[in-house]
Amino acid sequence: SQQGEEDPQALSIQEGENATMNCSYKTSINNLQWYRQNSGRGLVHLILIRSNEREKHSGRLRVTLDTSKKSSSLLITASRAADTASYFCATDQGQLTFGSGTQLTVLP
Amino acid sequence: SQTIHQWPATLVQPVGSPLSLECTVEGTSNPNLYWYRQAAGRGLQLLFYSVGIGQISSEVPQNLSASRPQDRQFILSSKKLLLSDSGFYLCAGNSGSTDTQYFGPGTRLTVL
Repeated sequence: SQQGEEDPQALSIQEGENATMNCSYKTSINNLQWYRQNSGRGLVHLILIRSNEREKHSGRLRVTLDTSKKSSSLLITASRAADTASYFCATDQGQLTFGSGTQLTVLP
Repeated sequence: SQTIHQWPATLVQPVGSPLSLECTVEGTSNPNLYWYRQAAGRGLQLLFYSVGIGQISSEVPQNLSASRPQDRQFILSSKKLLLSDSGFYLCAGNSGSTDTQYFGPGTRLTVL
């Protein structure tokens, strides 16, 4: 089974609202990464958080990591229609293992 | 930064035909290279990875093979395609000093 599992599978919000996506995993990790994929395109790396970090920011993105609960969250603040995409978490235990993704739709 | 090139963008092939997808890397040397397959609406499944020329590791048994004839070239092949080989194939790479992966634009393969 996949290491990372995102929740929810799909999320629809209005422009300007915040979007929160969660990722749970099963085994110890070196780091956890979030990627974005526009429909029919390759993945783009967003942010990496190491196992000894608890929170990281990049622009409108905020990632948290709770290794005791084996979970991470990605928060996108002040969402825009251009944020519409699929978002994947990937856990690094030497190789990357990707979750199934959250499909985010931001309505204008 | 690295750039991953993949072609073709789309491919329609009959069952039983051969396959060759090519991936090349720009902007780094001696990268780790990866082939993933993505089913519709799903996450990525790692198929093969390579840490150097001629070095291939397979993650799942399947109808596909990979080769790395040059440092910045990674090829995904099949001698006879199956219907189940349809999917979106992504090549990715990272240099040994970074943990993040750079992805190519992908190839949409449809086997009929």
